Amino acid sequence: GNSVTQMEGPVTLSEEAFLTINCTYTATGYPSLFWYVQYPGEGLQLLLKATKADDKGSNKGFEATYRKETTSFHLEKGSVQVSDSAVYFCALSDGTGTASKLTFGTGTRLQVTL
Amino acid sequence: DTAVSQTPKYLVTQMGNDKSIKCEQNLGHDTMYWYKQDSKKFLKIMFSYNNKELIINETVPNRFSPKSPDKAHLNLHINSLELGDSAVYFCASSQALLGVGSGNTEAFFGQGTRLTVV
Repeated sequence: GNSVTQMEGPVTLSEEAFLTINCTYTATGYPSLFWYVQYPGEGLQLLLKATKADDKGSNKGFEATYRKETTSFHLEKGSVQVSDSAVYFCALSDGTGTASKLTFGTGTRLQVTL
Repeated sequence: DTAVSQTPKYLVTQMGNDKSIKCEQNLGHDTMYWYKQDSKKFLKIMFSYNNKELIINETVPNRFSPKSPDKAHLNLHINSLELGDSAVYFCASSQALLGVGSGNTEAFFGQGTRLTVV
């Protein structure tokens, strides 16, 4: 079955540091890949997505590139802010449509300090 | 205007009780979902409905019964609540079954309902 593996947290960074959160996946077919973010006390928000190989998703300074050869979708940001502190989830959806669900990684907590 | 709204936001109840969580989406989507987030933040699909029809039931105990009166609503009823049911439950919707149709890849989530069983 499908699965998503992301690096364990928590990740603690100083403001303006470079962020990488690793994500790799296992899937049949051609999944779409996502990063969702959950700010403290809030629900899930889509951060960015990529629907085919070599696509780059980007939003709010975050980027991730769909790498089929390494089955990866690592999240990066060049300069993090305190307001980026949240839990980040990597996820995939099965490309066939019949499964119609998102498979999530375990989440990585990011803590940014001044 | 909230796209996917769930009520209540918090629910504290005793073991053995029956409770419901309501979900409504105003996006005109055909597909709705329930996800459970446990204490370690792990998210797992419970159910998905497409056009009021059950598509996925991911080995959820039959104490959990989803009900979709129309495409815009997917409520979750839980009988005989147990301590292990304590979690955050998220409702979500997508335009159609994920992967069907070009560009239909995104699911929108509600704010979550934190259920605490004591």
